[in-house]
Amino acid sequence: GAVVSQHPSWVICKSGTSVKIECRSLDFQATTMFWYRQFPKQSLMLMATSNEGSKATYEQGVEKDKFLINHASLTLSTLTVTSAHPEDSSFYICSARAGGGQETQYFGPGTRLLVL
Amino acid sequence: GQSLEQPSEVTAVEGAIVQINCTYQTSGFYGLSWYQQHDGGAPTFLSYNGLDGLEETGRFSSFLSRSDSYGYLLLQELQMKDSASYFCAVRSRMDSSYKLIFGSGTRLLVRP
Repeated sequence: GAVVSQHPSWVICKSGTSVKIECRSLDFQATTMFWYRQFPKQSLMLMATSNEGSKATYEQGVEKDKFLINHASLTLSTLTVTSAHPEDSSFYICSARAGGGQETQYFGPGTRLLVL
Repeated sequence: GQSLEQPSEVTAVEGAIVQINCTYQTSGFYGLSWYQQHDGGAPTFLSYNGLDGLEETGRFSSFLSRSDSYGYLLLQELQMKDSASYFCAVRSRMDSSYKLIFGSGTRLLVRP
């Protein structure tokens, strides 16, 4: 199956700093990428949908100025958590879809963020 | 809005059969997927139903009834490694784009 990678796999940062998470589709071109957040023992909450070359569409309640998403190429999307605070500590998971009739979403391994 | 309901926890014995139900309310329904997630890991795809009926993939089967807004995941010959969280997820189509919205998850514990 298709492979999606995320980097870093985990990150610890101080409150107030910004953290960038990369999501790459390794063996296919992803026209659409999705970013999810998951708190412990909870479900995956969709944060935003990004299509290559256009602005991301954010879900209700997700601050677009805090969670900056860039999908500049067909194989790379980035999520930047700006001015991170302890409540942003979570498991961030991206997924990618090839498009063109291919509707399967492939998930990355996730990035665990801890803000001190 | 969109909502999915599934039981929070299920316990079963190794070798048994377990069924995890999922009911949903959504607009633009396109299909129902099931994912497995072990603690600390990412979700892995198990099954997808776009049409009514049963889909079988090895020990796992999934069923969908669109008229009842209901589906289930059936796990047979349970193994200890099946202990994980299982999520139903609705694939919905809104404004010509597709989204995958997850249920709250069912934690399955398989006992010896």
